[in-house]
Amino acid sequence: ETGVTQTPRHLVMGMTNKKSLKCEQHLGHNAMYWYKQSAKKPLELMFVYSLEERVENNSVPSRFSPECPNSSHLFLHLHTLQPEDSALYLCASSQDTPGGAEKLFFGSGTQLSVL
Amino acid sequence: GENVEQHPSTLSVQEGDSAVIKCTYSDSASNYFPWYKQELGKRPQLIIDIRSNVGEKKDQRIAVTLNKTAKHFSLHITETQPEDSAVYFCAASKGFGGGATNKLIFGTGTLLAVQP
Repeated sequence: ETGVTQTPRHLVMGMTNKKSLKCEQHLGHNAMYWYKQSAKKPLELMFVYSLEERVENNSVPSRFSPECPNSSHLFLHLHTLQPEDSALYLCASSQDTPGGAEKLFFGSGTQLSVL
Repeated sequence: GENVEQHPSTLSVQEGDSAVIKCTYSDSASNYFPWYKQELGKRPQLIIDIRSNVGEKKDQRIAVTLNKTAKHFSLHITETQPEDSAVYFCAASKGFGGGATNKLIFGTGTLLAVQP
């Protein structure tokens, strides 16, 4: 257990549904991330939050909406998704310092299937 | 923006042999290069990382080398064991400090299979 917990582990949804992915980190980190992992593609950075402020939005469609209510929790709200959005969604956290980038701790991911 | 290319996409070795995975990056300002291992059905986990002020780093059977001039870095695993079988991802970022965050850009991954 790395201290980053994601729920649910699996999610099947229709294109008209609205659902949310949840991530919680127990490591006291100051940054949280959403990554998308599709087969035969690199891990794609979606969103970055630092000290609860969004500092990166990597040209992600508006049908994905992140929320970071505090430094320990991160959500990804999903609505009117497309079948090509089916993938493993990974949450991660890190403790970033003025000295630079630090190690990412990943959650186990949510395997999303859009029908 | 940063682009990271990783080769090979698959690698099969015999137990005890060495394995080498190579990555190139495009942004010369990148200064942090981690390697993550992802076993089947599990989360990616950091196995080793290197910063741009160092040319090589070792940790038991694994080592990473960095060539800043050529903008490439490599993962070396010696005396491979079946439990080394996994997908390995390289990544690069410019951890721009000042409390800013880590924008890691990942390679496409290498599936390493160690045959007993």
